[in-house]
Amino acid sequence: QSALTQPPSASGTPGQRVTISCSGNNSNIETHTINWYRHVPGTAPKLLIYSNNQRPSGVPDRFSGSKSGTSASLAISGLQSEDEADYYCVIWDASLSGWVFGGGTKLTVL
Amino acid sequence: EVQLVESGGVVVRPGGSLRLSCVASGFTFYDYAMIWVRHSPEKGLEWVSLISWDASTTSYADSVKGRFTISRDNSKHSLYLQMTSLRTEDTALYFCAKDRYSFSYSWPDSWGRGTLVTVSP
Repeated sequence: QSALTQPPSASGTPGQRVTISCSGNNSNIETHTINWYRHVPGTAPKLLIYSNNQRPSGVPDRFSGSKSGTSASLAISGLQSEDEADYYCVIWDASLSGWVFGGGTKLTVL
Repeated sequence: EVQLVESGGVVVRPGGSLRLSCVASGFTFYDYAMIWVRHSPEKGLEWVSLISWDASTTSYADSVKGRFTISRDNSKHSLYLQMTSLRTEDTALYFCAKDRYSFSYSWPDSWGRGTLVTVSP
């Protein structure tokens, strides 16, 4: 079964650029696309990035995604206080016929 | 506009049962796979279950397999999650979500606001 590993926390100051990583335990990331969600507990998750690096309409270009080998990254530039949230990478697992979420990264804007 | 409204979350004793519902509007419900995802502070977001557009395919996370059953009624634009043998670790905010593209499994792109299930002695 797939597993995705994220750092539990990340931080930055307003205006900075931060990167959140997501690594897989096998070839799952290499062979499947990664999606990223932003989640403020108690509210609905919001899709930030799909298919590794595509932004849905309405998501600012401060958010970008990339993938290389068995790892993927979400970058947030021009950090703002409202970016404080939990960020999750997600991948489709064909063996499960379901999605696997990373453990989430709590982003703090100092 | 896509709207998903969950209901049915309550406080229940361990070992108890519960049925969650999700009513959908703003899209052609019977064309899309639907999923349940839950969130708890301890585990974060966790995929629970999926059902295909025509209900011919269902799948479950290992943590709920054999205890939860997903179903849908396309005539009522409704999604359900029957939960049995509930455990304290099932305590979470449960979201229903719609797949991005019709007749495929792509990614969840629209979510409800969730319904809270609390399993407590």
